[in-house]
Amino acid sequence: DIQLTQSPSFLSASVGDRVSITCRASQGISSYLAWFQQKPGKAPKLLIYTASTLQSGVPSRFSGSGSGTEFTLTISSLQPEDFATYYCQQVNSYPITFGQGTRLEIK
Amino acid sequence: QVQLVQSGAEVKMPGASVTVSCKASGYTFNSYGISWVRQAPGQGLEWMGWISTHNGNTNYAQKLQGRVTMTTETSTSTAYMELRSLTSDDTAVYYCARDWSGYSAYWGQGTLVTVSS
Repeated sequence: DIQLTQSPSFLSASVGDRVSITCRASQGISSYLAWFQQKPGKAPKLLIYTASTLQSGVPSRFSGSGSGTEFTLTISSLQPEDFATYYCQQVNSYPITFGQGTRLEIK
Repeated sequence: QVQLVQSGAEVKMPGASVTVSCKASGYTFNSYGISWVRQAPGQGLEWMGWISTHNGNTNYAQKLQGRVTMTTETSTSTAYMELRSLTSDDTAVYYCARDWSGYSAYWGQGTLVTVSS
């Protein structure tokens, strides 16, 4: 199985900050990576797919990059509604796997 | 608009089975696969498996093999996930999600399954 390791697991930041979350895969997954945002009590929301493509309706302050084994989600200027937990997911091969999550909290 | 509406919360005894339904609307049901993902309280997301709504082919997580069955009913645009021999470790919110280009772009609201004696 492909393991995805996110770092950091916890991030404290302020509104307006630029933050980045890294997702490392245990083996190459080309660009078959997605990023999800999840708020408490809600279903995950797809933000980015194929590593860098913004899902329709997602603000442009979100961006993704990377390929192979290392990927990054960047939020250019944090807004209050961005404080949530973020997950990466690989769909390169079965079983599909998720990272352990990164909890983004307000400083 | 695409909508996935899941069945309501369930409380089950250890050893029992549960079936969660996921009714789709707003698109042609058998054009996109359905994945199932669960989330134990305070934990991360765990992929359970995927079913083709076109031909019924499935791919299950190894750890659930033998206990999980995913099916679809095209006439009602509904997907089902049955999990058997429940233990307390199966207490979680269960989500269905519709594929889009291989990614889970649309999600149900989640169904809480509690396993307790």
